[in-house]
Amino acid sequence: QQPVQSPQAVILREGEDAVINCSSSKALYSVHWYRQKHGEAPVFLMILLKGGEQKGHDKISASFNEKKQQSSLYLTASQLSYSGTYFCGTEIVEEDGNKLVFGAGTILRVKS
Amino acid sequence: GAGVSQSPRYKVAKRGQDVALRCDPISGHVSLFWYQQALGQGPEFLTYFQNEAQLDKSGLPSDRFFAERPEGSVSTLKIQRTQQEDSAVYLCASSLPSPEAFFGQGTRLTVV
Repeated sequence: QQPVQSPQAVILREGEDAVINCSSSKALYSVHWYRQKHGEAPVFLMILLKGGEQKGHDKISASFNEKKQQSSLYLTASQLSYSGTYFCGTEIVEEDGNKLVFGAGTILRVKS
Repeated sequence: GAGVSQSPRYKVAKRGQDVALRCDPISGHVSLFWYQQALGQGPEFLTYFQNEAQLDKSGLPSDRFFAERPEGSVSTLKIQRTQQEDSAVYLCASSLPSPEAFFGQGTRLTVV
């Protein structure tokens, strides 16, 4: 049930771009993206609902391909503050309610 | 407070000891999730409540784990006869139920 994230880790220089992918073997209702810094709680970035929607804020955007059960997070012109571990959470529809299941995470480190 | 509050922040337990971890969700949030996060891993789903009803407990690793939310607000995760493999950060999240889940800071449990 756990979605698969790739890559596992990426190192960037400030200003470079990165793409983080998330794929699931189950039909998805939505995809949530979170960033977690060391020792802190995961922080919500954005949610994408089914329909091939693309969203973004600032220089971080994401897409969701419902048919392929995949989502990608795009970070452009990365900043030092983008460093952290990024998790995709896939919302799976079940009989009694929806469950949010997270991937193992992608470690992103931005160097100056 | 405005956010999800978890207590204690840190807990050291001797193997075989029982522990209780508390989660105060955001007021009015219907859904409450418990996750277990091992070092370097993504949050792994444990259980989910909608108000006081525990709708999914499929992620609880053994019958030593028990969660309750008797009045539909505060939740307690209890681990009986703790073992070393229970050492992890236990995260609680609440949501309206959707779209955004807000996480607490977590409780770091170390079993020695």
